[in-house]
Amino acid sequence: AQSVTQLGSHVSVSEGALVLLRCNYSSSVPPYLFWYVQYPNQGLQLLLKYTTGATLVKGINGFEAEFKKSETSFHLTKPSAHMSDAAEYFCAVRGNTGNQFYFGTGTSLTVIP
Amino acid sequence: EPEVTQTPSHQVTQMGQEVILRCVPISNHLYFYWYRQILGQKVEFLVSFYNNEISEKSEIFDDQFSVERPDGSNFTLKIRSTKLEDSAMYFCASSEARTRGDYNEQFFGPGTRLTVL
Repeated sequence: AQSVTQLGSHVSVSEGALVLLRCNYSSSVPPYLFWYVQYPNQGLQLLLKYTTGATLVKGINGFEAEFKKSETSFHLTKPSAHMSDAAEYFCAVRGNTGNQFYFGTGTSLTVIP
Repeated sequence: EPEVTQTPSHQVTQMGQEVILRCVPISNHLYFYWYRQILGQKVEFLVSFYNNEISEKSEIFDDQFSVERPDGSNFTLKIRSTKLEDSAMYFCASSEARTRGDYNEQFFGPGTRLTVL
C-alpha cells in the first residue's frame, strides 16, 4: 500500500532562509510523487511532481524536490523563502492501482519577516 | 484559467440530516474525485468517478455516501444521515481521462467545510 509521512506539522523560517519540508513515502511499486500547496481559502495547487526520469524536479515559485529511492524521501526545498510562500504544503503519492492520491497530513509554513 | 469550483464554502448541519456538496469540475475533464480532510488529519481519498459510474472507492465511502453527475457540469457528493465524525473539509478534484496507467494531474477545488452539530 502507498502512504506518505510529513515530518513537522509546522515549520517557521525567516524570510530569505532555506525552506526544507520533509516527506517520506512508502510504496510497493515505483512511486509517482507530488507536492501540493494550499493558500488560505483556495484549493490544492500542484507545485511539482516526480513520475519517471530525472530525480531532481523543479516546480513553480522556485521550489524543487529530489526523489531519493534509497532514503524513500521526496523533500521539498527552496533556497530563499519569501513571505508569499506562507501556506500549507501537502506531499502525496499516487496509488498503484487507479488514480487516487494518498496525502500526508500537511506542513504549515510560516515565513518570518 | 479553468478551475474547479465548490459550493458552499461552509455548510453547517444537524446530526442526522442529509447534505449535498456540489462541485463543478473543469469542463473537458472526465475523471472526478472526492477527498476529505478531518481537522488535523490526512487528506483521504473517498471516491473516483468516470463514465457515469464509480471507478474506485475507499473503505470510508460506505452506504452513507453517494455521488452523482446530475447534469453536464455538476458533480455532487451526498451524505445521508450525517454524523458528528463527518465534520471535515471535503475537496473535489478532476482530471483528464487518458490511457489507463498514464499519469493524470488532478486539479482540486477550494473545498467545502462541513460542520455537523
